[in-house]
Amino acid sequence: NAGVMQNPRHLVRRRGQEARLRCSPMKGHSHVYWYRQLPEEGLKFMVYLQKENIIDESGMPKERFSAEFPKEGPSILRIQQVVRGDSAAYFCASSPGLAGQPQHFGDGTRLSIL
Amino acid sequence: QKEVEQNSGPLSVPEGAIASLNCTYSDRVSQSFFWYRQYSGKSPELIMSIYSNGDKEDGRFTAQLNKASQYVSLLIRDSQPSDSATYLCAVIFTGGGNKLTFGTGTQLKVEL
Repeated sequence: NAGVMQNPRHLVRRRGQEARLRCSPMKGHSHVYWYRQLPEEGLKFMVYLQKENIIDESGMPKERFSAEFPKEGPSILRIQQVVRGDSAAYFCASSPGLAGQPQHFGDGTRLSIL
Repeated sequence: QKEVEQNSGPLSVPEGAIASLNCTYSDRVSQSFFWYRQYSGKSPELIMSIYSNGDKEDGRFTAQLNKASQYVSLLIRDSQPSDSATYLCAVIFTGGGNKLTFGTGTQLKVEL
């Protein structure tokens, strides 16, 4: 499967735990984006990364959220000390290097906080 | 605040009809526009991208862009029940990096 791969598909955490969401971009893509879709709301940009660089994190909450895209391995979105309001679908997208190119989405991770 | 506006619908059309979905955006100089389809509980799927004024056709889908009026539309010809989904308009605003700004989506229902 050459598409954007996200795992896990579903993740259940209790309040106060940590959530780690993983994303491997489409083959040949070097840019990764994370979006969040809250229940009954639209998709909101969170962060844009290239290998070893955060390009734009203007959509990331200031606390508890972090993202990385290491030289080797998938991009990770990390949420510390999760709260009920973090329950959402988190989508990763990837694109080639050129600006303005279409972004292709993975299947998402549905995060539920108990 | 750069915004993308869509009518939330639902938009109901009979099978075989043309469905017309509209989107307006707030920045006149934006360059990149996209339509995504999202089925309930699924991820967004890219349908069309358009970058210059005019029409772009791909199968039953036609995207129309008018930068002077700041709107982009999607026409779906010969609508099928399988087209029933939420259609998301997305814009990459000039100077906003490479991030997509989405509208809230229009729910389309194609009725038998």
